[in-house]
Amino acid sequence: EAQVTQNPRYLITVTGKKLTVTCSQNMNHEYMSWYRQDPGLGLRQIYYSMNVEVTDKGDVPEGYKVSRKEKRNFPLILESPSPNQTSLYFCASSLKVGWEGLTYEQYFGPGTRLTVT
Amino acid sequence: LAKTTQPISMDSYEGQEVNITCSHNNIATNDYITWYQQFPSQGPRFIIQGYKTKVTNEVASLFIPADRKSSTLSLPRVSLSDTAVYYCLVIPYNTDKLIFGTGTRLQVFP
Repeated sequence: EAQVTQNPRYLITVTGKKLTVTCSQNMNHEYMSWYRQDPGLGLRQIYYSMNVEVTDKGDVPEGYKVSRKEKRNFPLILESPSPNQTSLYFCASSLKVGWEGLTYEQYFGPGTRLTVT
Repeated sequence: LAKTTQPISMDSYEGQEVNITCSHNNIATNDYITWYQQFPSQGPRFIIQGYKTKVTNEVASLFIPADRKSSTLSLPRVSLSDTAVYYCLVIPYNTDKLIFGTGTRLQVFP
């Protein structure tokens, strides 16, 4: 089954304790992305990756890191989490983003609800 | 990057047709338009994409006028299960950065 998986689904942590949220897709997609979702603010892109070893900042990258060492995995790293990073996080993947007449369908993971106290 | 503007919320009743319009005034020539549906505590789900005129699939129709500065998602005969947040997203041709809007919360009543 084609899917994007995220782990953990729920996480409660304390300020300053480094954490990693994993994301994996089994569709051989080139493009992967992380979003955070907060009430009233919709989905905001944190980082994206166009392919292995190619990443770039989205709209709200401060306080986050990512890596793309393999095509299927795109972990999100919070080196020193703070309470303002309490949010619902989604990972997504798609074939490609760009005007090539391909489907632009992004597949989203189930989400990770993070609470930083 | 084309910013999008949608109504914050809409109400409807079962069996009615619902049209949600998205404004994207600064859309570029080769940008594509996509729509997503999101239920509470789930990731968004792709509904439809289009470039111009009309596109229809088994779930919805997408209407895009000639100037492409707006698009309208049409949901025929909605049911309670269509209660969700709907996002319009413009896919840029010259960058891989994506900007979602704040979405439209559709509430369907019996």
